[in-house]
Amino acid sequence: QIVVTQPPSASASLGASVKLTCTLTSGHDKFAVAWHQHQPEKGPRYLMKLNNDGTHTKEDGIPDRFAGSSSGAERYLTISSLQPEDEADYYCQAWGTGIWVFGGGTKLTVL
Amino acid sequence: QITLKESGPALVTPTQTLTLTCTLSGFSVTTSGVGVGWIRQPPGQALECLALIYWDDDKIYNPSLKNRVSVTMDSSKNQVVLTMTNMGPVDTGTYFCARKSQKGAWTDYWGQGTLVTVSS
Repeated sequence: QIVVTQPPSASASLGASVKLTCTLTSGHDKFAVAWHQHQPEKGPRYLMKLNNDGTHTKEDGIPDRFAGSSSGAERYLTISSLQPEDEADYYCQAWGTGIWVFGGGTKLTVL
Repeated sequence: QITLKESGPALVTPTQTLTLTCTLSGFSVTTSGVGVGWIRQPPGQALECLALIYWDDDKIYNPSLKNRVSVTMDSSKNQVVLTMTNMGPVDTGTYFCARKSQKGAWTDYWGQGTLVTVSS
């Protein structure tokens, strides 16, 4: 059973960059993940699918400021030139042959 | 434009059965490769996938809730229905439906969510 772990919070200053981390359980380092953004009072929004080799496919309309990368069992979402609207919860999603599995989410605060 | 919209009761009393409907627009629930999942989020907690249903009526349930959850599709209305029995206060939370991407197994579209409170 795959488990997805995310730190509960992160913060960075307006205009700066931040790298959010998603860690997959041992033995699942070849798995792809999807990143989702959940802004307050809105439904979540799919950002990208991120492969284990770091290649990623972004949803249409997602700014170039959002990029994904991978290293071993870790999957990253880097947001550059932070904007106020980037303040949100960010969820990492994995899947196997069964149900979708989500990390606990990282609450990003833009200072 | 692809949208999903959840509907159902905002308040449920303990032991009652919850029925939520996800109405799909912009795609058909019976199109090959399509899937729709139900995900919930208790206040302050993580997202938890409850069930998935695929275009061919194949279904996957979260093992921790399998005996309480059922998912069905109504192709004539392009809707997916979640039924959850024996509701309790711990089931309080926001319930989302979401589409499985046709390109793979991940989620690519979400509904806005509907808040369900379980209380007497």
